[in-house]
Amino acid sequence: DQQVKQNSPSLSVQEGRISILNCDYTNSMFDYFLWYKKYPAEGPTFLISISSIKDKNEDGRFTVFLNKSAKHLSLHIVPSQPGDSAVYFCAASGKRGNTPLVFGKGTRLSVIA
Amino acid sequence: EAGVTQSPTHLIKTRGQQATLRCSPISGHTSVYWYQQALGLGLQFLLWYDEGEERNRGNFPPRFSGRQFPNYSSELNVNALELEDSALYLCASSLGRTSWTGELFFGEGSRLTVL
Repeated sequence: DQQVKQNSPSLSVQEGRISILNCDYTNSMFDYFLWYKKYPAEGPTFLISISSIKDKNEDGRFTVFLNKSAKHLSLHIVPSQPGDSAVYFCAASGKRGNTPLVFGKGTRLSVIA
Repeated sequence: EAGVTQSPTHLIKTRGQQATLRCSPISGHTSVYWYQQALGLGLQFLLWYDEGEERNRGNFPPRFSGRQFPNYSSELNVNALELEDSALYLCASSLGRTSWTGELFFGEGSRLTVL
């Protein structure tokens, strides 16, 4: 049973436009949500996070939105750049520090120049 | 500052053999996590060690085991290898539970191929 779902395996966006990556979760006990980015032959790196008490967190070109009632979060990248091309993983955790991160299958983003 | 280091980078084994993968966390990190990334799948949680103890275990058979040493490094052992164990094994470290921020720092992974 997949608790964190990323239903789009891939996404192509033109440089300068907005990229929107989506993530759904099923476990209402999840308390903290994160996005990781992975380039080929490298380990995933942390991008941005959001606590369940917030509905939006922004860091430069990256914004994460959380809709708890819909159990849905999204990552917006504006403007998209070719260097953003990577696999993006959504992850979720229960009470801080007490449960390991549960990851989705990832979405491969291609930003076309 | 050195990141999370994993060894070996690549490992080829045959069915029924045993594999041992190693991980050194970032200095100051006491938690180590192991994840498996098989082809077409996301990161599947395997094991979590904190302060030398196993804190949590994913839905994997008992032939997947590991330990954490006093210096917080860790090893993952996979016994009686099966073809479907072929995957990228990622190790991550973080601050301990009392300082948890949610951010994991990953190594580059060990690619295990079972023939």
